[in-house]
Amino acid sequence: RKEVEQDPGPFNVPEGATVAFNCTYSNSASQSFFWYRQDCRKEPKLLMSVYSSGNEDGRFTAQLNRASQYISLLIRDSKLSDSATYLCVARFSGGYNKLIFGAGTRLAVHP
Amino acid sequence: DAGVTQSPTHLIKTRGQQVTLRCSPKSGHDTVSWYQQALGQGPQFIFQYYEEEERQRGNFPDRFSGHQFPNYSSELNVNALWLGDSALYLCASSDGLASNSEQYFGPGTRLTVT
Repeated sequence: RKEVEQDPGPFNVPEGATVAFNCTYSNSASQSFFWYRQDCRKEPKLLMSVYSSGNEDGRFTAQLNRASQYISLLIRDSKLSDSATYLCVARFSGGYNKLIFGAGTRLAVHP
Repeated sequence: DAGVTQSPTHLIKTRGQQVTLRCSPKSGHDTVSWYQQALGQGPQFIFQYYEEEERQRGNFPDRFSGHQFPNYSSELNVNALWLGDSALYLCASSDGLASNSEQYFGPGTRLTVT
């Protein structure tokens, strides 16, 4: 079983739609969680950190449920520019800042 | 303020050959991590360098080796290339080993093994 698993996608949604991505992790020692965005043939870039209390950044909301080992990302009012691959990432305590990536979920927003 | 830079951007090699990829960390960063991203997959951790020593290693064979220089730049070497080594190789830098230090990724080197 992979340490971080995501919905495979792709998600094809119209502009203005709300879309949710899910992710689960298997190692309960995981300390921190993130969502990264990766555009085609580019490097991953940090989108936002994920906290148990939930956090919001504009149209993006991330949530962590440690009991269920589940992470989510909600994108409201999708824009064409949101089209990208979204990577769920875990970092384990004492792990020397080693990031464990999911395979990514591809989002395509169309007019 | 220069970000993470990597060279070359693209590389084509033949099976059995050896390759060296280079990374310069973001200004002020002293820790470099390398990741391999195969097509359709997320990046996989190869190893991490700090104070010119390999501090942590992922599940990669000894064909993958690295080095960090006094100026914090780093090299990734892969010997006896396989077709399966074709991937995007990403370098990420951070400030120290602290697990709360954000990693910044370079644009990557796309390696094709034929």
